[in-house]
Amino acid sequence: QITLKESGPTLVKPTQTLTLTCTFSGFSLSTSGVGVGWIRQPPGKALEWLTLIFWDDDKRYSPSLKSRLTITKDTSKNQVVLTMTNMDPADTATYYCAHRGQYGDYVFGYWGQGTLVTVSS
Amino acid sequence: SFELTQPPSVSVSPGQTASITCSEDKLGYKYVSWYQQKPGQSPVLVIYGDSKRPSGIPERFSGSNSGNTATLTISGTQTMDEADYYCQAWDSRTGVFGGGTKLTVL
Repeated sequence: QITLKESGPTLVKPTQTLTLTCTFSGFSLSTSGVGVGWIRQPPGKALEWLTLIFWDDDKRYSPSLKSRLTITKDTSKNQVVLTMTNMDPADTATYYCAHRGQYGDYVFGYWGQGTLVTVSS
Repeated sequence: SFELTQPPSVSVSPGQTASITCSEDKLGYKYVSWYQQKPGQSPVLVIYGDSKRPSGIPERFSGSNSGNTATLTISGTQTMDEADYYCQAWDSRTGVFGGGTKLTVL
């Protein structure tokens, strides 16, 4: 059974760096073809794709946010970490991590519950 | 830039067929997936690879993709299908979601 759970601060100040951790179970990020991605959703708005890391450490980033995002993995801990620099109130959103696997391409078959991050002074 | 365009809202009567579109130039050359999101819940994959259903997804959900438009079709729509639906595709090594469509069943 694949599960993912996001953790991190619920409130950050403008200009600060956000660090979120995705802890997962039921799969290994060292298995060929597997990936973990991050997606966010501002309150009442649409999903926005952020980044994805693959089992071989290949990384993909949203072009509009690439300069602010970093994704890393710790295979031994079954964790993926997202950092986003220079946070702004417009970054207030629910942040989801999700599993990419048997459905191919960059399809997310399993999602975490999401964590709401508010950016405010 | 690559953008996926969806209608903001679609309404359907129970038991009827709902169609939600997702458009972009030459979208038919890419694989499209669809996600269902109910209020307060995480998205759920309902269609991948244009027309494939993950296990556990009812047969009334189907998908197609040709030309510039991908379509999610829900046959015999039920009240439980009321939700936001998002299409997703890939372009230039990055993922893109559509703006979402609110499906109202009334």
